[in-house]
Amino acid sequence: QSVLTQPPSVSGAPGQRVTISCAGSSSNIGAGYDAHWYQQLPGTAPKLLIYGNSNRPSGVPDRFSGSKSGTSASLAISGLQTEDEADYYCQSYDSSLSSSVFGGGTKLTVL
Amino acid sequence: QVQLQESGPGLVKPSQTLSLTCTVSGDSISSGGYYWNWIRQHPGKGLEWIGYIYYSGHTYYTPSLKSRVTISLDKSKNHFSLKLNSVTAADTAVYYCARTLSSSSWIDYWGQGTLVTVSS
Repeated sequence: QSVLTQPPSVSGAPGQRVTISCAGSSSNIGAGYDAHWYQQLPGTAPKLLIYGNSNRPSGVPDRFSGSKSGTSASLAISGLQTEDEADYYCQSYDSSLSSSVFGGGTKLTVL
Repeated sequence: QVQLQESGPGLVKPSQTLSLTCTVSGDSISSGGYYWNWIRQHPGKGLEWIGYIYYSGHTYYTPSLKSRVTISLDKSKNHFSLKLNSVTAADTAVYYCARTLSSSSWIDYWGQGTLVTVSS
């Protein structure tokens, strides 16, 4: 059971907007630690998508956005494209574990 | 451009020790300021943080693996290593090495990952 909880799957049609939630607690996101997001395409290493809750690294399209509120964080993907079909993971630091942790991952299907 | 590359046996027998090395190019692990991490992913599953080492030698291991894991640095070869002893089939996974700026920050560089299978 992951410390950060993500829905196992989400789906959307091309062009639509989807959001992926990452529910934490008072020892991680709720304690003020940042959330980060990664995209993992099949057979490849994860790639940084969002850091520091809402910042995009260079090269990441602005269709991807992140936010944080209370003990949760969210990743939004607008204008869905077929190449967005991948697994998405959130990450944050947990003070009770003294370690960074990942969410369980969410599989995005573009219908 | 920073690059990380894992290397090591792809097949390990049960009860033996899994040993992997992550060679870093484009950055010096001696220069300080970064944490060097090992993360694994069981087949079809999510990501699991194994632990990290700071350039000073300070380490952290996830509690569930702490009794079996050692992460070390070799500054002369600019690489860091993972040893996991007494392996079982449950340790079969893709193992990634990665770099973070701190123990709580994001991963900015990943290795490509290497599959290690535990089987007799």
